Amino acid sequence: GDSVTQTEGPVTVSESESLIINCTYSATSIAYPNLFWYVRYPGEGLQLLLKVITAGQKGSSRGFEATYNKETTSFHLQKASVQESDSAVYYCALGDPSGSWQLIFGSGTQLTVMP
Amino acid sequence: EAAVTQSPRSKVAVTGGKVTLSCHQTNNHDYMYWYRQDTGHGLRLIHYSYVADSTEKGDIPDGYKASRPSQENFSLILELASLSQTAVYFCASSPARGDYAEQFFGPGTRLTVL
Repeated sequence: GDSVTQTEGPVTVSESESLIINCTYSATSIAYPNLFWYVRYPGEGLQLLLKVITAGQKGSSRGFEATYNKETTSFHLQKASVQESDSAVYYCALGDPSGSWQLIFGSGTQLTVMP
Repeated sequence: EAAVTQSPRSKVAVTGGKVTLSCHQTNNHDYMYWYRQDTGHGLRLIHYSYVADSTEKGDIPDGYKASRPSQENFSLILELASLSQTAVYFCASSPARGDYAEQFFGPGTRLTVL
């Protein structure tokens, strides 16, 4: 079936360190899957961080970036230098742009950035 | 101005009681969704709707009903709340057109069933 697996949290890094949160997906029933990273800050709802709808493309936002790799079925989230304000829960999601237009989420990765 | 709002933001309910969670969107989107999130799990789809007066089952519909009386409003109903339904519930909307499936989320409702 269709699923998303991402780095299990919690993840703790120091400010200015680099970050990678791994995400792999299985899209057996989706012809042209979209890939997303959402972020949830404390007390808030999920916000879209970045999206990529075409394999081979890279998305970026707020210093984060992720490349849609169809060969390895991966969509890892990276940032070269994290800030304390990046502390949040990050969700990788697989979207089906047809039918139910459903999103399938990974379990989320709690990130804490230490000052 | 928040485009997807949920009420209440938190609720404590008793086992066996009826609970209604409400969602309102001003995005003019056709699709609306209800998800639940439990610790250690991603968001899981309960029900969704693509048009007023019609709802569809998602991946985990048991114990839940949904109602879409208008394009803007989508409710989730727990007729007989149970302990296992303690979770955070998110509502979302989507334009469901074009070539990507982006959804826009509300702030969530924390439900505790005692």
